[in-house]
Order: sequence, then C-alpha cells, then structure tokens
Amino acid sequence: KNQVEQSPQSLIILEGKNCTLQCNYTVSPFSNLRWYKQDTGRGPVSLTIMTFSENTKSNGRYTATLDADTKQSSLHITASQLSDSASYICVVSANGDKLIFGTGTRLQVFP
Amino acid sequence: EPEVTQTPSHQVTQMGQEVILRCVPISNHLYFYWYRQILGQKVEFLVSFYNNEISEKSEIFDDQFSVERPDGSNFTLKIRSTKLEDSAMYFCASSSTLQGAKHFGDGTRLSIL
Repeated sequence: KNQVEQSPQSLIILEGKNCTLQCNYTVSPFSNLRWYKQDTGRGPVSLTIMTFSENTKSNGRYTATLDADTKQSSLHITASQLSDSASYICVVSANGDKLIFGTGTRLQVFP
Repeated sequence: EPEVTQTPSHQVTQMGQEVILRCVPISNHLYFYWYRQILGQKVEFLVSFYNNEISEKSEIFDDQFSVERPDGSNFTLKIRSTKLEDSAMYFCASSSTLQGAKHFGDGTRLSIL
C-alpha cells in the first residue's frame, strides 16, 4: 500500500535555530517527491520537487534531501523565523496526477 | 504572482442537499485537481482533470461527485446528496505540466449539518 510517513508529528524550536524534518515513503512506482508548507487556514504551498535522480534541492533557507534507495527524505530549515511556523507536508507522486500526502509535521517557532 | 482562487471560503449546507464548489485555476494551466482534507487528517486526492475529461480519480470520488469545466476559467466540484462525512476542507489545484508544481487554492470549508 502506498504510504508516506513523517516524523516528528510536531516540533517546537526557538527562532534562529535549525531543524530537520523526516519523511519515509513506500510508494511505487516513484515519480517525484515534494515538500509543501501549509499555513493554518491556507492551501499547501510548494517548497521543492525532487525526481529520482536528484538527492538535494534548496529553496532559500529550505534544503530537501532524497535517498531513493532507502526511500527517505528530509527537509532542513536553517535559521528559523517566526513565519516558518506551519505544517510541513511530504508528498510523493506515483505518477504525475496522483499525489500521496503525509500527515505532516507541525512546526512552531517561538521567539 | 497568479493564484488559484476558490469560492466560497466557507459553505454550510443541510445534509442531503447538493453543493457546488468553485475554483478559478491559474490561467495558463492545463491540469486541474480536487483534494480534500478532513479536520485533523491528511490531504487526500479526489480527482484530476485534463483536456476536458477526468484523467484519474480516487476511491473517494464515487457517483456522488462530479467535476466540470463549464467555461475557459472555472473548474467546479459538485457533491450531490451531501452526507455528514463530506464535511472537510476542499482544495483545488492546478499545474502547467503533469510533473510540475501544483498550485493550491486556500480551500473551501464545507460543513454539513
């Protein structure tokens, strides 16, 4: 069964600190892996998209990694800001159309 | 930056009634999607739409649901004979290519009473 698992479920950090969120997936066939940020009450916003051949991709202070052999991905946030408080969702595409969402990691950044 | 817009932001409906959720995708996008998110749960794929027809649908998307692109700009999700368990946030998304970034609207919160 296609599944995407994320850890931790929630995370609290202080402003300026770094953090790393984890994603494990069992999706076949694999097309790409995406990280989304979802603010409360808003739709998900794309941060990164990685295909099978890519093992790292950055978008500003966000850096995603992908290990297609172990089927793991991580999202590293550098120098966190208060505005980083949100849910971060790992999403895997089995083909282009159908996205399989993880349950997300709820990140809270405190001053 | 172009956005996907959804209306209404909140819809309250009596059980058994029909609802139509509306979306205006980004204008040059070709692929359109509906997802739903039940409170406290993960986002679930409902249906994808390309070239004026459904390209894929999930098990959730049964005969109760239908989608339509009635003109060049709107993309609608119709839910007939609504049930209590249809209460959820419904997100519309669009993309310019199949593998490209999917841009989500801010959702319609559907509450069935």
